[in-house]
Amino acid sequence: KQEVTQIPAALSVPEGENLVLNCSFTDSAIYNLQWFRQDPGKGLTSLLLIQSSQREQTSGRLNASLDKSSGRSTLYIAASQPGDSATYLCAVLRGAQKLVFGQGTRLTINP
Amino acid sequence: GAGVSQSPSNKVTEKGKDVELRCDPISGHTALYWYRQSLGQGLEFLIYFQGNSAPDKSGLPSDRFSAERTGGSVSTLTIQRTQQEDSAVYLCASSFSSGGETQYFGPGTRLLVL
Repeated sequence: KQEVTQIPAALSVPEGENLVLNCSFTDSAIYNLQWFRQDPGKGLTSLLLIQSSQREQTSGRLNASLDKSSGRSTLYIAASQPGDSATYLCAVLRGAQKLVFGQGTRLTINP
Repeated sequence: GAGVSQSPSNKVTEKGKDVELRCDPISGHTALYWYRQSLGQGLEFLIYFQGNSAPDKSGLPSDRFSAERTGGSVSTLTIQRTQQEDSAVYLCASSFSSGGETQYFGPGTRLLVL
């Protein structure tokens, strides 16, 4: 059974810092990996999708990496801003169908 | 363009009643997914529809849960004889196809069973 773990569960940093969120998964037979953002009381917003054959994806200040062999992914956020405060969820896709989610990292950026 | 929409946004019901939750996927998306987000369990897959194929119901927690998708578009998730443990946020997502494409999520329906 695929399990996804995110560390840390919560993170609080001052504005302007660069930071890394971690995601690990137990079964490397994944189709792809997605990072999502969830604001309080809202749905999920897709940030980045990395196909199993890729090593990283970048969008603006966000960079996500994927190491299938070690079962790890990281989300790097550069020059953090208060508007980045949210819960970040990592999810792996198996069989091109259902996503298996981690528990999320609750990020707070302090002005 | 319009995203995934869900209704109602909030639903309060009494234990034992039936509820219906609705999802309107993005136009042209053939794949539709239901997930449940609860405090104790995180986000978990419930059911998946792809075109006219038989749905993947492997995530439904009990036979009180059912879902249908009419005309390959709108989907309804029905929970019969609701229990307090059914209280959660029910999220719907759609994707262009089932080939590992990005899943786009709706805002969710917050269900509270009293």
